[in-house]
Amino acid sequence: DIQMTQSPSSLSASVGDRVTITCRASQGISNYLAWFQQKPGKAPKSLIYASSSLQSGVPSKFSGSGSGTDFTLTISSLQPEDFATYYCQQYNSYPFTFGPGTKVDIK
Amino acid sequence: QVQVVESGGGVVQPGRSLRLSCAASGFTFSSYGMHWVRQAPGKGLEWVAVIWYGGSNKYYADSVKGRFTISRDNSKNTLYLQMNSLRVEDTAVYYCARDLREAGSTIDYWGQGTLVTVSS
Repeated sequence: DIQMTQSPSSLSASVGDRVTITCRASQGISNYLAWFQQKPGKAPKSLIYASSSLQSGVPSKFSGSGSGTDFTLTISSLQPEDFATYYCQQYNSYPFTFGPGTKVDIK
Repeated sequence: QVQVVESGGGVVQPGRSLRLSCAASGFTFSSYGMHWVRQAPGKGLEWVAVIWYGGSNKYYADSVKGRFTISRDNSKNTLYLQMNSLRVEDTAVYYCARDLREAGSTIDYWGQGTLVTVSS
């Protein structure tokens, strides 16, 4: 199975900050990488698929990049509604696997 | 609008069975793959299973293989997860989610989840 890691596991940031989260796969997954946002007590929300394609309705402040084993999610200007936990997921091969998550909270 | 609504969660004893359902609306259900994803209390997301649009292809996480069965009824726009031989570690919120495509892709829409508690 493909293992996914994320760094950092948590970060504190201020409104307006640029934030970058890294995701790494244990083997190459081409661009079959998705990102999800989850707020406490809520269902996850899909943000990005195919490493860099925004899901419908997702604001352009979110961007993704990478291919192979290393990927990043960037939030260009952090807003109060962006404080949440972010997960990456590989869908290159079954079983699909999620990263452990990165919690973004207020500094 | 796309909507998926889970039901069937509850409290069940270890070793027993439970079946979850997911009612879909707002899209052509038979044209999309469907997933189950779970989240244990205070933990991260764990992908559980997927079924392709026609129902012929199914894949599972190692942790549930041989115990859980994913199925669908395209005439009823409903997804199922039959869970047998339940263990305490299966306690989680179970999310139903739509695949971005008919098969082999990731998730675009999520349900609100249903809680399954396995406890004696």
